[in-house]
Amino acid sequence: AQTVTQSQPEMSVQEAETVTLSCTYDTSESDYYLFWYKQPPSRQMILVIRQEAYKQQNATENRFSVNFQKAAKSFSLKISDSQLGDAAMYFCAYRSRIQGAQKLVFGQGTRLTINP
Amino acid sequence: GAGVSQSPSNKVTEKGKDVELRCDPISGHTALYWYRQSLGQGLEFLIYFQGNSAPDKSGLPSDRFSAERTGGSVSTLTIQRTQQEDSAVYLCASSLAPSRGETQYFGPGTRLLVL
Repeated sequence: AQTVTQSQPEMSVQEAETVTLSCTYDTSESDYYLFWYKQPPSRQMILVIRQEAYKQQNATENRFSVNFQKAAKSFSLKISDSQLGDAAMYFCAYRSRIQGAQKLVFGQGTRLTINP
Repeated sequence: GAGVSQSPSNKVTEKGKDVELRCDPISGHTALYWYRQSLGQGLEFLIYFQGNSAPDKSGLPSDRFSAERTGGSVSTLTIQRTQQEDSAVYLCASSLAPSRGETQYFGPGTRLLVL
């Protein structure tokens, strides 16, 4: 079974600075998806960014980018120019491409605080 | 609708009572998922529906939990004889056909408190 590990329960960063959240995963599959979701106090899980394992190029979405290291099974999220609205719980998630196994497997989450 | 909706937003019940939680997915999404988020267990998969296929119930923690999806749209998660350990946030998500690699979009969740 796949597992996802986020080793940083809490992180903090100054507004306008850059922060990197870590995520590692374990799988025997060669093709899969990886996601970062954000969960603010409203509880709504919001997709931040997604990466397809067969793509070598790291995904980017505006101020958010990932460092996908497939051999190391690492998938970190970099947030540039941090804003107060980025404060939230961040979850890393894995999804298989095998038919019938498309559930998301989540890490434990990292609580990100933005200091003004 | 514009997004996944869930009701109720919050539910307080007494131990031993049955509860029903509702999820209304994004129109046109054929896949629907239920997850549970609790302090001790993090985010766990419960059940998955895809079109007319038999649901994947592999994540249901006990036979007190069941779910159905009527007409390929709205889903109801039922917890019978609730226990205090059932207290959690129950999240629903939907997506287009997973075989296309589609992203799961989440609703706001139902916070369940069992007294």
